[in-house]
Amino acid sequence: NAGVTQTPKFRILKIGQSMTLQCTQDMNHNYMYWYRQDPGMGLKLIYYSVGAGITDKGEVPNGYNVSRSTTEDFPLRLELAAPSQTSVYFCASSRRVPGANVLTFGAGSRLTVL
Amino acid sequence: GENVEQHPSTLSVQEGDSAVIKCTYSDSASNYFPWYKQELGKRPQLIIDIRSNVGEKKDQRIAVTLNKTAKHFSLHITETQPEDSAVYFCAASYNTDKLIFGTGTRLQVFP
Repeated sequence: NAGVTQTPKFRILKIGQSMTLQCTQDMNHNYMYWYRQDPGMGLKLIYYSVGAGITDKGEVPNGYNVSRSTTEDFPLRLELAAPSQTSVYFCASSRRVPGANVLTFGAGSRLTVL
Repeated sequence: GENVEQHPSTLSVQEGDSAVIKCTYSDSASNYFPWYKQELGKRPQLIIDIRSNVGEKKDQRIAVTLNKTAKHFSLHITETQPEDSAVYFCAASYNTDKLIFGTGTRLQVFP
């Protein structure tokens, strides 16, 4: 049981390049999330999904796209990378139960845009 | 949308002392309030959560209190130990779907 797996762990992009951060979970969780964590700052919600085929915007969705074609996978696409997207990206999943939602986070993907 | 403010941003305490971290939220409909701990270089992990129908919850040295009227909730750590040193995040959500996090508090516990 690997939990939440993110790839790549590290990536350097040039301004204007595009890339996809991969996230997969093997816990059959219905909810999945993408957060970004800037240095010394909190976690900002980019996008989330409550199930396959359903996605919704979070606090900072501009410059990103997501898809959820399967329960297991929730990739995050960066189009036209900008220095402001330099951050650590965390994917998380959860099986929401009445009154609680415990997120299991991946190890994070550190992205630098130069 | 929901906005969560967290204070202080850094907190230093002597081992054995208590630590208190406070959060305020903006959406009065929010009804679920978890706390996550992130050790250096690690991923965040849930340490305790509380629902809006409960005023206080304890788990060993950790407790969380909620004041719905004032829209704020707090994390209390008693008898702090060096291994409590980490960044702590509060969060709030309505019906638990979309968790909005605070900006984090870096707690340092000195021996």
